[in-house]
Amino acid sequence: EAGVVQSPRYKIIEKKQPVAFWCNPISGHNTLYWYLQNLGQGPELLIRYENEEAVDDSQLPKDRFSAERLKGVDSTLKIQPAELGDSAVYLCASSFGGTNTEAFFGQGTRLTVV
Amino acid sequence: QQQVKQSPQSLIVQKGGISIINCAYENTAFDYFPWYQQFPGKGPALLIAIRPDVSEKKEGRFTISFNKSAKQFSLHIMDSQPGDSATYFCAGSNTGKLIFGQGTTLQVKP
Repeated sequence: EAGVVQSPRYKIIEKKQPVAFWCNPISGHNTLYWYLQNLGQGPELLIRYENEEAVDDSQLPKDRFSAERLKGVDSTLKIQPAELGDSAVYLCASSFGGTNTEAFFGQGTRLTVV
Repeated sequence: QQQVKQSPQSLIVQKGGISIINCAYENTAFDYFPWYQQFPGKGPALLIAIRPDVSEKKEGRFTISFNKSAKQFSLHIMDSQPGDSATYFCAGSNTGKLIFGQGTTLQVKP
């Protein structure tokens, strides 16, 4: 069974440019998460979806970040415009949801803003 | 109140030794405490997890000890191997939201 798939693996962009990340969760997983991981730090939640609904986006900087999960499967995370401080690894994870909180992570997208 | 504090930041252990990583949490509503292992360039992978109704869980060489009254839990890696060299994250979860510790970089020397 395929795990959580993210693309691209790496992205280098100039500041003020837009960027988008894509995530395909494990089949059957209703809950999808986007996490931000800075170098040497633990992941920090940006947004959590239950099916199509964003149930926790309190940590998402909504002035420049947006996310969507159409049809409750794949998800995209967008940054527009990117800033130097956005350089980090963006991780997607998924779980069955409900009382099963076992989350499986993708390999992440490493973003470098220059 | 959402924080999970992890220590030490880094750890060096000889092959065959015991690695111990500690975490403390504040949110008493947490109902799930996983440990994740992360290798460079990879996403975190679930290693072992515990719920607060048990005090210990063992899977192979990995054991979680949980102290609910002290709001602390720890990961013990017995017979540590060079392949265990990675970064380890503890986390607490309430309603599916994982709050991670800062991570511990473990190096197991041959």
